[in-house]
This record gives sequence, structure tokens and C-alpha cells, in this order.
Amino acid sequence: QQQVKQSPQSLIVQKGGISIINCAYENTAFDYFPWYQQFPGKGPALLIAIRPDVSEKKEGRFTISFNKSAKQFSLHIMDSQPGDSATYFCAASVGSSNTGKLIFGQGTTLQVKP
Amino acid sequence: DTAVSQTPKYLVTQMGNDKSIKCEQNLGHDTMYWYKQDSKKFLKIMFSYNNKELIINETVPNRFSPKSPDKAHLNLHINSLELGDSAVYFCASSQFGRYGYTFGSGTRLTVV
Repeated sequence: QQQVKQSPQSLIVQKGGISIINCAYENTAFDYFPWYQQFPGKGPALLIAIRPDVSEKKEGRFTISFNKSAKQFSLHIMDSQPGDSATYFCAASVGSSNTGKLIFGQGTTLQVKP
Repeated sequence: DTAVSQTPKYLVTQMGNDKSIKCEQNLGHDTMYWYKQDSKKFLKIMFSYNNKELIINETVPNRFSPKSPDKAHLNLHINSLELGDSAVYFCASSQFGRYGYTFGSGTRLTVV
């Protein structure tokens, strides 16, 4: 119940294409869903986040779609660029604000080909 | 000016040794964390501290002992290192608990 399942494990997209990464969860107590981007040799960095009372959030080329009834959310990267090549993690948050934690999906390695 | 800094960046050591990883944040955050990233890049929480108080202690072997001397520092000491401890260890901090983590660049620990 504390898991977040992420797919696909890896993804290759042509420059200009749309990258889509999906996540699913079981625990309805999760109430905050961030996405993190990690480049080799670096720590994960917060990309975009959504709360379950919103169905979609867009920031630039990055959009989160959230389906509360299906307990699924996804990251869409529009007009994918080679600089977007990185590992992407979805996450879900549970617990009170100071005692809670983030539970991460397994990660998706994205390669954008020029 | 690095927000969350970890030292060392790389650590190679023999089985059975004891080692420490240090973490410092200059963001004024109240909560700090240790996460372990395994060879498949899976990130798993180990510990969290809020204002120097241990909040989360996941099922981590007691060979791992975190220490927070003040809210800007969270160190990780590992006793009797084993091959399976090889991983990248990330320190993170946040102002609003589980929202908006800032991660350090990681410490790659290799046990030989």
C-alpha cells in the first residue's frame, strides 16, 4: 500500500516528441504528488507537483495529469529536448507535514534523441 | 553557494570498516533526511530529523546511526560496512516537511 509503481523503466523519444511517464498508487492517504528530475551525478531536483484536488497542472513544457478515481498520475513532457534526458521519479507523500515522507517510484530513464 | 552539501562525494572502503558521511544545509530548513539510492536507482528513505529530533527510522540496520547536532546538520555513521551497503546516499532538507525536498549531490559509497 505504501508503493508507487512507475512505468516505463526506460523511454526513448525523438527530439520534439512527447514523453509520457505513468505512475499508480494504492494508498488513498497520499495527498501530494511531486515529480523529480535527476541528472547523472546529481541529486534529484523537484520538477513539478500536484495535489489530488486538481486534475492537471502545467509548467512550461511539463504537465502532470492526475486521475484520482483511477489512482494514477502521469508526467507529459511536450516538445522533448536532448537536455531533458535524465531519470524521472514520481513520488507520493503521506503523513503530517513535519513527520511525513516521500515515497518514490522506481524511476524512468528518458533519452531524447536529436 | 551550495544549498545542501554532502561530504565526501566518493567513499571507497573495505568491508568491516566504519565510515561517516556529513550533510549540511544552508536553507534554514527544519527537516532533514537520508535516502539510499541502490544500483537500480530506487530511492528509499532511511531517516528523517525535524529540529534535531529523530522522526522517521525506517527498517534500517542498527549499524546505521544518524546524528543531528543542530538543525542545519545531519550526519550518517555506518559501522561494520558490508558489500550490500554500496549505494549512493542522499541527504535532503525541506522547510515544510514532506513538501519540496532539496537534495544534496549524493555520496557514492563503494564497499570492497
